[in-house]
Amino acid sequence: GAVVSQHPSWVICKSGTSVKIECRSLDFQATTMFWYRQFPKQSLMLMATSNEGSKATYEQGVEKDKFLINHASLTLSTLTVTSAHPEDSSFYICSARDFSRTGGETQYFGPGTRLLVL
Amino acid sequence: QKEVEQNSGPLSVPEGAIASLNCTYSDRGSQSFFWYRQYSGKSPELIMSIYSNGDKEDGRFTAQLNKASQYVSLLIRDSQPSDSATYLCAVGLTGGGNKLTFGTGTQLKVEL
Repeated sequence: GAVVSQHPSWVICKSGTSVKIECRSLDFQATTMFWYRQFPKQSLMLMATSNEGSKATYEQGVEKDKFLINHASLTLSTLTVTSAHPEDSSFYICSARDFSRTGGETQYFGPGTRLLVL
Repeated sequence: QKEVEQNSGPLSVPEGAIASLNCTYSDRGSQSFFWYRQYSGKSPELIMSIYSNGDKEDGRFTAQLNKASQYVSLLIRDSQPSDSATYLCAVGLTGGGNKLTFGTGTQLKVEL
């Protein structure tokens, strides 16, 4: 149980294009999902909290117009990196909270999406 | 002061030994504590969660929480080479809006 998937697992794109990453909770409903970014040799950095049916909450320093988040259903959140540039190249990881389990704060992570912008 | 602190390591232990990983946090009102394991190039995987003072055991893993000292640890018994990874401590902060704050992780190396 508590499986989270991400698609695609990796993507290479040209500078200036937009990339959409999907995060799905496969066996539970997630009213809240989180998007993280991790650069090499660094820890996870929370980008935003995605809430089903409402606007995402972005962390300080994260451009909401550049990183568009949509949480249209209880099992799907998407992150779109708009007009991607080489500095956006990173490992993007989503997580989801499973409230049905004991300890509703537990976050289960997807496998991550590696983005390379040329 | 960082909200969640971990020694970056690497922590090297011989196979079969006990590995002890430590984490301190600054918010005294924190209520939930987690240990994640992250292999190189992979996403974090939940190992343990702990919410009350004391020890919690799951197989070879034991999480210890001391809220008075604002300290949480993870013990790995009979360490195996497959345990070599980065271990992330995560804390649910009071009023954090469901967010977890992660430490920078401790790299563990289990040597043959």
